Amino acid sequence: GAGVSQSPSNKVTEKGKDVELRCDPISGHTALYWYRQSLGQGLEFLIYFQGNSAPDKSGLPSDRFSAERTGGSVSTLTIQRTQQEDSAVYLCASSLRTSGAYNEQFFGPGTRLTVL
Amino acid sequence: AQSVAQPEDQVNVAEGNPLTVKCTYSVSGNPYLFWYVQYPNRGLQFLLKYITGDNLVKGSYGFEAEFNKSQTSFHLKKPSALVSDSALYFCAVGSNTGGFKTIFGAGTRLFVKA
Repeated sequence: GAGVSQSPSNKVTEKGKDVELRCDPISGHTALYWYRQSLGQGLEFLIYFQGNSAPDKSGLPSDRFSAERTGGSVSTLTIQRTQQEDSAVYLCASSLRTSGAYNEQFFGPGTRLTVL
Repeated sequence: AQSVAQPEDQVNVAEGNPLTVKCTYSVSGNPYLFWYVQYPNRGLQFLLKYITGDNLVKGSYGFEAEFNKSQTSFHLKKPSALVSDSALYFCAVGSNTGGFKTIFGAGTRLFVKA
């Protein structure tokens, strides 16, 4: 596609339910990133993928959060047993095939998650 | 470890005046520095970056930034602000020793008054 797409755009769920967020990066982009942006806050790094592997998972807030990427393309971020503090906008970004963080990232529109 | 600081939550400037949005960073190795902008109800957009070379980099919409190694700063500047520049600005840093990891600052909200 022309840009990074994310689905759903909005998700409202009840506390304790599991949610799955999807990201389709720009074709050919090797690196894929997930961030969380809470209301009035900056971007919190969650995880990045280099191809299908995630060398650094230290940004995931808890073991309720997991992410995977298959075929070097689509990625899903799963939050199990959601809590109200998980409410935020989850942003996905991708960048060109490269060996490091020196290429700019292209961001998707985000998924706004609300946990009631 | 990488970190980035944007010391101002908000910057106010009159249209036509020069603007500066501050950013300082800390990395191991050589820094890769970025500025992104988030307009209301729109996604984050890349403005400019410093990887190597000239310390003054120019980007989109007339913005520029100066890399200062001794002060570990990468301030965003524009000679003449426009009302349409009002947005949330993020500084971000990666490094040649940090893999793909990029850390974003907390953001600075810029208000340009007509």
